[in-house]
Amino acid sequence: AQSVTQPDIHITVSEGASLELRCNYSYGATPYLFWYVQSPGQGLQLLLKYFSGDTLVQGIKGFEAEFKRSQSSFNLRKPSVHWSDAAEYFCAVTGGYNKLIFGAGTRLAVHP
Amino acid sequence: EAGVAQSPRYKIIEKRQSVAFWCNPISGHATLYWYQQILGQGPKLLIQFQNNGVVDDSQLPKDRFSAERLKGVDSTLKIQPAKLEDSAVYLCASSPNRGGVYNEQFFGPGTRLTVL
Repeated sequence: AQSVTQPDIHITVSEGASLELRCNYSYGATPYLFWYVQSPGQGLQLLLKYFSGDTLVQGIKGFEAEFKRSQSSFNLRKPSVHWSDAAEYFCAVTGGYNKLIFGAGTRLAVHP
Repeated sequence: EAGVAQSPRYKIIEKRQSVAFWCNPISGHATLYWYQQILGQGPKLLIQFQNNGVVDDSQLPKDRFSAERLKGVDSTLKIQPAKLEDSAVYLCASSPNRGGVYNEQFFGPGTRLTVL
């Protein structure tokens, strides 16, 4: 069965520092992978997605993610974090019929 | 373009009471989803509609949860009777049906339910 693991529940970084959020997936075929962000009281917003092709994908708000099939990973990165990036981040994989299977999320705190 | 609308935004009830949530998807979106997001967990799909038909309700606790999408537009999710473990944020999402392998889902702000 498809599943997503986000090993880090909480991460704290300083503003301006680089960021990497980890995501590992389990999927039998070529996965379609996503990163969403959820700010307090807001719905989920799509940051980026990977379907095929170039394994380094660019998203909104300066985020990027790299698909590594050998490691079953799809880690999210940002070179310089802003205070407004504090939120919860979810990695997801499709489970057929357009269904999304989410990880448990990583809560990001940003120190000034 | 208006986003996915949900109401109410917050609801507090006592266990064994009933509650209903409403969702209005983005205009023209054929597919509608209800997710349950328990604190500390990622969203979990409860039910997926394609127009007014159910595509997937395998994780819907059918003894207490029900959902409908009359006329293939807005939808209502009901819990009757509620249990403490139903405390969660209920997210509604919609997506167009343009074929292909995946159609992006757009999420509403959610309804936060607290069961006392």
